Amino acid sequence: DTGVSQNPRHKITKRGQNVTFRCDPISEHNRLYWYRQTLGQGPEFLTYFQNEAQLEKSRLLSDRFSAERPKGSFSTLEIQRTEQGDSAMYLCASSPQASGQGARETQYFGPGTRLLVL
Amino acid sequence: AQTVTQSQPEMSVQEAETVTLSCTYDTSESDYYLFWYKQPPSRQMILVIRQEAYKQQNATENRFSVNFQKAAKSFSLKISDSQLGDAAMYFCAYRSAILDDMRFGAGTRLTVKP
Repeated sequence: DTGVSQNPRHKITKRGQNVTFRCDPISEHNRLYWYRQTLGQGPEFLTYFQNEAQLEKSRLLSDRFSAERPKGSFSTLEIQRTEQGDSAMYLCASSPQASGQGARETQYFGPGTRLLVL
Repeated sequence: AQTVTQSQPEMSVQEAETVTLSCTYDTSESDYYLFWYKQPPSRQMILVIRQEAYKQQNATENRFSVNFQKAAKSFSLKISDSQLGDAAMYFCAYRSAILDDMRFGAGTRLTVKP
């Protein structure tokens, strides 16, 4: 396993369309995180899963956003009725089981999916 | 709410020289984790170094070291013997020991001059 993977890497869509992104975490990582990063800014937390349970959602995650992790492995992030303000890089990260102090706290990032809404 | 501030939008260093990137944070918690991540152009974010707040000793990873001042809520990154491959955006990040969302600063763009 070479790391967190995300697909697609780039997505261009028209306003009002729905889009779905996929994230495959590092094997056996039970925690999976979604972030959004706009140009010139640091990533902003959206939501995270522990196994298949979605445990926390940011206020940034409007009703148009939904994330799933049905089998506790890969995750999908769907944006419905996209708006131009949704244009950003969507990053996925995963972290391992606690095997020592601090180990669980380190998140490993994927390459991101860059979304452009026209 | 915890906030992370990187006051240097851009920094420049000569190859083989040393550079320090600044980061301050605001928190009322006593137990937390701090990170520096590197994001090269069009490439994914990778972990540079991690510091646990309960540890007094500053973390080091080869040419990278931190100056962690808990009372001052300061967490700077020192890069020694800078290399061309160090050119990237550097993000400072804070993670509570209780909550699971990580807070990032706005980043510092580091340029390395040959």
